[in-house]
Amino acid sequence: DTGVSQDPRHKITKRGQNVTFRCDPISEHNRLYWYRQTLGQGPEFLTYFQNEAQLEKSRLLSNRFSAERPKGSFSTLEIQRTEQGDSAMYLCASSRDRSGRGSYNEQFFGPGTRLTVL
Amino acid sequence: AQSVTQPDIHITVSEGASLELRCNYSYGATPYLFWYVQSPGQGLQLLLKYFSGDTLVQGIKGFEAEFKRSQSSFNLRKPSVHWSDAAEYFCAITYAGGTNNDMRFGAGTRLTVKP
Repeated sequence: DTGVSQDPRHKITKRGQNVTFRCDPISEHNRLYWYRQTLGQGPEFLTYFQNEAQLEKSRLLSNRFSAERPKGSFSTLEIQRTEQGDSAMYLCASSRDRSGRGSYNEQFFGPGTRLTVL
Repeated sequence: AQSVTQPDIHITVSEGASLELRCNYSYGATPYLFWYVQSPGQGLQLLLKYFSGDTLVQGIKGFEAEFKRSQSSFNLRKPSVHWSDAAEYFCAITYAGGTNNDMRFGAGTRLTVKP
């Protein structure tokens, strides 16, 4: 098992361009999460999938951001018309689906994609 | 709304010394609390979590944390720090029935270990 992988690891783009990131979760995990982490801050939740269904989005998520998980395996996060404020580390995580009182779906994080918008 | 504060942005300790990283939370009921570690170039890894029960929680890599309701704290401790512990540490909070939108991370504490 190779863990959660993300591609690319670094992306530099000019303001106004579109960018797309890919996340490959741990193979048996059906839940997938995207987070954004700016410098000096902790991660901030963006969106969450269970299988191919996008079940939750951050209340603060701009409509320039869109995520897909077409076959319930890998996921893509696209940012359209990038702005300098989008510069951040974008983290992906995956987890199993554990139900039951007091259960917690431990998330396993990938190394992240660092985006720099010039 | 729930939140966590990590008062120390950066801490330096000598290898072999003890460590305590502070986390203060704000939430009216019983929170779910977590500590994560992030090494350079790596994703976050869960060290330990507290939901209920025993207030002293044991985690991986020799870490432990104690939930103190009276002080609204969940400090992370390790009796003897190793050079490999140098990393960024994040405290996080949510609550029973909370959604992913309800998870809040602190700003992190960067740990440097001196030889």
